[in-house]
Amino acid sequence: IAGITQAPTSQILAAGRRMTLRCTQDMRHNAMYWYRQDLGLGLRLIHYSNTAGTTGKGEVPDGYSVSRANTDDFPLTLASAVPSQTSVYFCASSEQNTGELFFGEGSRLTVL
Amino acid sequence: SQQGEEDPQALSIQEGENATMNCSYKTSINNLQWYRQNSGRGLVHLILIRSNEREKHSGRLRVTLDTSKKSSSLLITASRAADTASYFCAEGGGSQGNLIFGKGTKLSVKP
Repeated sequence: IAGITQAPTSQILAAGRRMTLRCTQDMRHNAMYWYRQDLGLGLRLIHYSNTAGTTGKGEVPDGYSVSRANTDDFPLTLASAVPSQTSVYFCASSEQNTGELFFGEGSRLTVL
Repeated sequence: SQQGEEDPQALSIQEGENATMNCSYKTSINNLQWYRQNSGRGLVHLILIRSNEREKHSGRLRVTLDTSKKSSSLLITASRAADTASYFCAEGGGSQGNLIFGKGTKLSVKP
Protein backbone atom coordinates (compact mmCIF):
# COMPACT_ATOMS: atom_id res chain seq x y z
CA ILE A 1 0.00 0.00 0.00
CA ALA A 2 1.76 3.17 -1.16
CA GLY A 3 -0.71 6.00 -0.50
CA ILE A 4 1.21 9.23 -0.97
CA THR A 5 4.76 9.16 -2.28
CA GLN A 6 6.97 12.24 -2.02
CA ALA A 7 10.39 12.79 -3.57
CA PRO A 8 13.03 13.70 -2.72
CA THR A 9 12.97 12.92 0.99
CA SER A 10 15.69 15.45 1.61
CA GLN A 11 17.49 18.07 -0.48
CA ILE A 12 20.03 20.83 0.04
CA LEU A 13 19.68 23.58 -2.50
CA ALA A 14 21.57 26.77 -3.33
CA ALA A 15 19.56 29.98 -3.22
CA GLY A 16 18.30 31.02 -6.63
CA ARG A 17 18.00 27.47 -7.94
CA ARG A 18 14.77 25.99 -9.24
CA MET A 19 13.40 22.96 -7.43
CA THR A 20 10.40 20.69 -7.95
CA LEU A 21 9.07 18.51 -5.17
CA ARG A 22 7.16 15.55 -6.50
CA CYS A 23 4.00 14.05 -5.06
CA THR A 24 2.07 11.04 -6.34
CA GLN A 25 -0.99 9.33 -4.87
CA ASP A 26 -2.50 5.99 -5.81
CA MET A 27 -5.85 6.38 -4.03
CA ARG A 28 -7.63 8.27 -6.84
CA HIS A 29 -8.44 11.09 -4.45
CA ASN A 30 -9.88 14.24 -5.94
CA ALA A 31 -8.20 16.77 -3.66
CA MET A 32 -4.49 17.27 -3.08
CA TYR A 33 -2.55 19.73 -0.94
CA TRP A 34 0.89 21.05 -0.17
CA TYR A 35 1.72 22.17 3.37
CA ARG A 36 4.92 23.44 4.87
CA GLN A 37 5.79 22.73 8.48
CA ASP A 38 8.02 25.06 10.43
CA LEU A 39 8.93 24.91 14.11
CA GLY A 40 6.52 26.96 16.17
CA LEU A 41 4.23 27.67 13.21
CA GLY A 42 2.61 24.31 12.65
CA LEU A 43 1.38 23.36 9.19
CA ARG A 44 0.49 26.08 6.71
CA LEU A 45 -1.26 25.47 3.42
CA ILE A 46 0.72 26.54 0.35
CA HIS A 47 -1.48 25.44 -2.56
CA TYR A 48 -4.30 23.01 -3.09
CA SER A 49 -6.22 21.33 -5.89
CA ASN A 50 -9.81 20.19 -5.44
CA THR A 51 -9.79 18.23 -8.68
CA ALA A 52 -7.53 17.55 -11.66
CA GLY A 53 -7.12 20.66 -13.78
CA THR A 54 -7.78 23.15 -10.98
CA THR A 55 -5.53 24.69 -8.35
CA GLY A 56 -5.89 27.31 -5.66
CA LYS A 57 -3.74 29.39 -3.36
CA GLY A 58 -3.44 28.62 0.33
CA GLU A 59 -2.19 30.74 3.20
CA VAL A 60 1.45 31.04 2.03
CA PRO A 61 1.57 30.68 -1.79
CA ASP A 62 4.24 33.27 -2.66
CA GLY A 63 7.34 31.79 -4.30
CA TYR A 64 5.60 28.50 -5.08
CA SER A 65 3.63 27.15 -8.01
CA VAL A 66 1.74 23.92 -8.59
CA SER A 67 0.09 22.05 -11.43
CA ARG A 68 -2.48 19.27 -11.53
CA ALA A 69 -2.38 17.75 -14.98
CA ASN A 70 -3.90 14.46 -13.78
CA THR A 71 -5.49 12.96 -10.68
CA ASP A 72 -2.38 11.27 -9.32
CA ASP A 73 0.37 13.90 -9.51
CA PHE A 74 0.70 17.27 -7.80
CA PRO A 75 4.22 18.71 -8.11
CA LEU A 76 5.30 21.80 -6.18
CA THR A 77 7.86 24.10 -7.82
CA LEU A 78 10.07 26.72 -6.27
CA ALA A 79 11.08 28.89 -9.21
CA SER A 80 13.98 30.60 -7.43
CA ALA A 81 14.59 29.23 -3.96
CA VAL A 82 15.28 31.52 -1.00
CA PRO A 83 16.53 30.60 2.49
CA SER A 84 13.10 31.34 4.03
CA GLN A 85 11.78 28.38 2.05
CA THR A 86 13.86 26.04 4.20
CA SER A 87 11.19 23.80 5.67
CA VAL A 88 9.63 20.37 5.70
CA TYR A 89 7.06 20.05 2.93
CA PHE A 90 4.13 17.66 3.18
CA CYS A 91 1.86 16.56 0.38
CA ALA A 92 -1.58 15.24 1.25
CA SER A 93 -4.72 14.03 -0.44
CA SER A 94 -8.38 13.52 0.42
CA GLU A 95 -11.52 12.28 -1.27
CA GLN A 96 -13.18 15.65 -0.65
CA ASN A 97 -11.81 18.96 0.46
CA THR A 98 -12.93 18.73 4.10
CA GLY A 99 -12.47 15.02 4.58
CA GLU A 100 -9.72 12.97 6.16
CA LEU A 101 -6.26 13.81 4.83
CA PHE A 102 -3.66 11.22 3.95
CA PHE A 103 -0.11 12.55 4.23
CA GLY A 104 3.18 11.67 2.64
CA GLU A 105 6.30 11.30 4.74
CA GLY A 106 7.59 14.75 3.86
CA SER A 107 10.42 16.37 1.92
CA ARG A 108 13.00 18.20 3.99
CA LEU A 109 14.37 21.13 2.01
CA THR A 110 17.31 23.29 3.03
CA VAL A 111 18.07 26.41 1.01
CA LEU A 112 21.51 27.89 1.58
CA SER B 1 -3.71 33.86 10.30
CA GLN B 2 -6.75 31.65 10.65
CA GLN B 3 -4.82 29.01 12.53
CA GLY B 4 -6.34 27.66 15.70
CA GLU B 5 -4.42 27.05 18.86
CA GLU B 6 -3.70 23.90 20.80
CA ASP B 7 -3.20 23.97 24.52
CA PRO B 8 -0.87 23.06 26.09
CA GLN B 9 2.03 23.41 23.67
CA ALA B 10 3.79 20.56 25.46
CA LEU B 11 2.62 17.91 27.92
CA SER B 12 4.66 15.35 29.82
CA ILE B 13 2.95 12.52 31.70
CA GLN B 14 3.64 9.07 33.07
CA GLU B 15 2.50 5.90 31.35
CA GLY B 16 -0.99 4.95 32.47
CA GLU B 17 -2.11 8.53 33.05
CA ASN B 18 -4.67 10.30 30.89
CA ALA B 19 -3.64 13.07 28.50
CA THR B 20 -5.95 15.92 27.60
CA MET B 21 -5.24 18.35 24.79
CA ASN B 22 -7.40 21.31 23.89
CA CYS B 23 -7.97 23.11 20.64
CA SER B 24 -9.57 26.47 19.95
CA TYR B 25 -10.51 27.38 16.40
CA LYS B 26 -11.60 30.48 14.59
CA THR B 27 -13.81 29.63 11.65
CA SER B 28 -17.26 28.10 11.20
CA ILE B 29 -16.60 24.42 10.75
CA ASN B 30 -18.14 21.42 9.05
CA ASN B 31 -15.94 19.15 11.12
CA LEU B 32 -12.95 19.13 13.45
CA GLN B 33 -10.23 16.57 13.00
CA TRP B 34 -7.32 15.37 15.10
CA TYR B 35 -4.03 14.12 13.71
CA ARG B 36 -0.95 12.56 15.20
CA GLN B 37 2.65 13.04 14.03
CA ASN B 38 5.54 10.92 15.16
CA SER B 39 8.92 12.61 15.02
CA GLY B 40 10.18 12.90 11.45
CA ARG B 41 7.05 11.34 9.94
CA GLY B 42 3.93 12.47 8.17
CA LEU B 43 0.64 13.18 9.95
CA VAL B 44 -1.83 10.39 10.53
CA HIS B 45 -5.57 10.94 10.91
CA LEU B 46 -6.99 9.91 14.29
CA ILE B 47 -10.62 11.00 14.46
CA LEU B 48 -13.16 13.33 12.86
CA ILE B 49 -16.07 14.92 14.71
CA ARG B 50 -18.81 16.69 12.77
CA SER B 51 -20.19 20.08 13.77
CA ASN B 52 -23.51 18.51 14.88
CA GLU B 53 -21.77 16.02 17.18
CA ARG B 54 -20.68 16.74 20.75
CA GLU B 55 -18.61 13.69 21.60
CA LYS B 56 -16.97 10.82 19.77
CA HIS B 57 -14.94 7.80 20.85
CA SER B 58 -12.38 5.66 19.10
CA GLY B 59 -10.54 3.10 21.20
CA ARG B 60 -8.65 5.01 23.89
CA LEU B 61 -9.47 8.35 22.25
CA ARG B 62 -12.33 10.60 23.25
CA VAL B 63 -13.02 13.84 21.40
CA THR B 64 -15.47 16.54 22.44
CA LEU B 65 -16.65 19.53 20.47
CA ASP B 66 -18.26 22.74 21.74
CA THR B 67 -19.22 24.87 18.76
CA SER B 68 -20.51 27.69 20.98
CA LYS B 69 -17.02 28.10 22.44
CA LYS B 70 -15.25 27.07 19.22
CA SER B 71 -13.24 24.51 21.11
CA SER B 72 -12.47 20.81 21.08
CA SER B 73 -10.58 18.46 23.33
CA LEU B 74 -8.77 15.19 22.75
CA LEU B 75 -8.47 12.78 25.65
CA ILE B 76 -6.13 9.81 25.48
CA THR B 77 -6.86 7.39 28.29
CA ALA B 78 -4.34 5.01 29.87
CA SER B 79 -1.49 6.49 27.88
CA ARG B 80 1.44 4.43 26.64
CA ALA B 81 5.00 5.36 25.78
CA ALA B 82 4.07 4.72 22.13
CA ASP B 83 1.58 7.62 22.34
CA THR B 84 4.54 10.00 22.45
CA ALA B 85 4.01 12.28 19.44
CA SER B 86 2.69 15.67 18.41
CA TYR B 87 -1.06 16.05 18.12
CA PHE B 88 -2.76 18.54 15.84
CA CYS B 89 -6.33 19.67 15.49
CA ALA B 90 -7.59 20.77 12.09
CA GLU B 91 -10.70 22.77 11.22
CA GLY B 92 -12.69 21.54 8.26
CA GLY B 93 -14.81 24.00 6.30
CA GLY B 94 -12.67 27.10 6.38
CA SER B 95 -12.94 29.96 3.92
CA GLN B 96 -11.09 28.01 1.25
CA GLY B 97 -12.94 24.81 2.04
CA ASN B 98 -9.71 23.21 3.21
CA LEU B 99 -8.34 22.04 6.53
CA ILE B 100 -6.64 24.62 8.75
CA PHE B 101 -4.20 23.11 11.21
CA GLY B 102 -3.27 24.32 14.66
CA LYS B 103 0.30 24.47 15.90
CA GLY B 104 0.13 21.20 17.81
CA THR B 105 0.67 19.77 21.28
CA LYS B 106 3.83 17.78 21.88
CA LEU B 107 3.01 14.86 24.15
CA SER B 108 5.69 12.91 25.96
CA VAL B 109 4.68 9.74 27.81
CA LYS B 110 7.36 8.44 30.12
CA PRO B 111 7.54 4.70 30.82
